[in-house]
Amino acid sequence: GEDVEQSLFLSVREGDSSVINCTYTDSSSTYLYWYKQEPGAGLQLLTYIFSNMDMKQDQRLTVLLNKKDKHLSLRIADTQTGDSAIYFCADSNQAGTALIFGKGTTLSVSS
Amino acid sequence: EAGVTQSPTHLIKTRGQQATLRCSPISGHTSVYWYQQALGLGLQFLLWYDEGEERNRGNFPPRFSGRQFPNYSSELNVNALELEDSALYLCASSLAGTGHHEQYFGPGTRLTVT
Repeated sequence: GEDVEQSLFLSVREGDSSVINCTYTDSSSTYLYWYKQEPGAGLQLLTYIFSNMDMKQDQRLTVLLNKKDKHLSLRIADTQTGDSAIYFCADSNQAGTALIFGKGTTLSVSS
Repeated sequence: EAGVTQSPTHLIKTRGQQATLRCSPISGHTSVYWYQQALGLGLQFLLWYDEGEERNRGNFPPRFSGRQFPNYSSELNVNALELEDSALYLCASSLAGTGHHEQYFGPGTRLTVT
């Protein structure tokens, strides 16, 4: 079935760039998503990319999509301590009736 | 504008009991989704309701059920609770016609089964 894989942890220093990677199996995805979950909170939609795009930039966030390799990445420029959270990559299933989430990457930012 | 709300925030039950979790979507949203976030398992899709009908169901046993009311709020019921049902249950909503695109999540209900 469809699957989304992410590395579980990433640790960076404040001011550095963070790159969170994700791979997915479903080649028919229309949109791919990045969600952020802060401690004790629900998920917040950060950004999404349409499948016919290679890149999307939104302030400090850059999403890169490599459809050939089914690889999605989220780059956070000038990472701040407030960016510490769990970041989830999500894909839609083949039927388009559900989102499939990765297990989440815990980003830890040290000052 | 109010976001997605869920109640209760925390729920403690014992094995074999039933749990009822509630969700109110953002005003104007007709689709409601339920997810289970259990430790080590990530976020698993449970149920999707749209216009009062169940549209899709994840890989969960029938003791997980729910409904959507005419005002688009939703209830998730878990019968015959098991210890492994302990998790954060998240509800999300989206606009009609967007399917599952741009889902907005509530803060969740933390269910603990002892």
